[in-house]
Amino acid sequence: AQSVSQHNHHVILSEAASLELGCNYSYGGTVNLFWYVQYPGQHLQLLLKYFSGDPLVKGIKGFEAEFIKSKFSFNLRKPSVQWSDTAEYFCAVKNNQGGKLIFGQGTELSVKP
Amino acid sequence: GAGVSQSPSNKVTEKGKDVELRCDPISGHTALYWYRQSLGQGLEFLIYFQGNSAPDKSGLPSDRFSAERTGGSVSTLTIQRTQQEDSAVYLCASRWTGNNEQFFGPGTRLTVL
Repeated sequence: AQSVSQHNHHVILSEAASLELGCNYSYGGTVNLFWYVQYPGQHLQLLLKYFSGDPLVKGIKGFEAEFIKSKFSFNLRKPSVQWSDTAEYFCAVKNNQGGKLIFGQGTELSVKP
Repeated sequence: GAGVSQSPSNKVTEKGKDVELRCDPISGHTALYWYRQSLGQGLEFLIYFQGNSAPDKSGLPSDRFSAERTGGSVSTLTIQRTQQEDSAVYLCASRWTGNNEQFFGPGTRLTVL
């Protein structure tokens, strides 16, 4: 069965620090990968997605993620975080049967001003 | 509206009562998903509807859970004889057939006393 693992449960950073959130998935076939963000009190929103092509994907608000097939990883990065990036981040893989999303446990990011 | 809407936003019920949660997907989206977000369990898939096909119910945790989608649009998730472990935020998402991105609603926070 497909699964997604996010290594960090809670990350605390100061503004301007660089961010990398780990995500590993288990699935040997074609994958569609996503990072969603949930700001406090708001809906889940899509940050970025990977389907095919360039493994370095750029998303909204300066986020990017790199798909490394050999490592089954899709880590999220941002060179310089802001206080407004405080949120919970979810990595997900799309199940090829029907398209349901399999989510990781989420990583809570707290950015100190 | 432009986005997925869900009602009620909050529901408090007593153990053993039945509850109905409603989802209005984005107009024209043929696929509709229900997920549950709870402490310790993260985001879990519950059920998926695609057009007139039989729904994928593989994520429903017990036979107390059921869902229907009338007219290919609005969906209702019903939980019978609620238990305290049903307390969670229930999220609905919809997707257009030609796109892999799921758009999430704000969720219904269910509290079972």
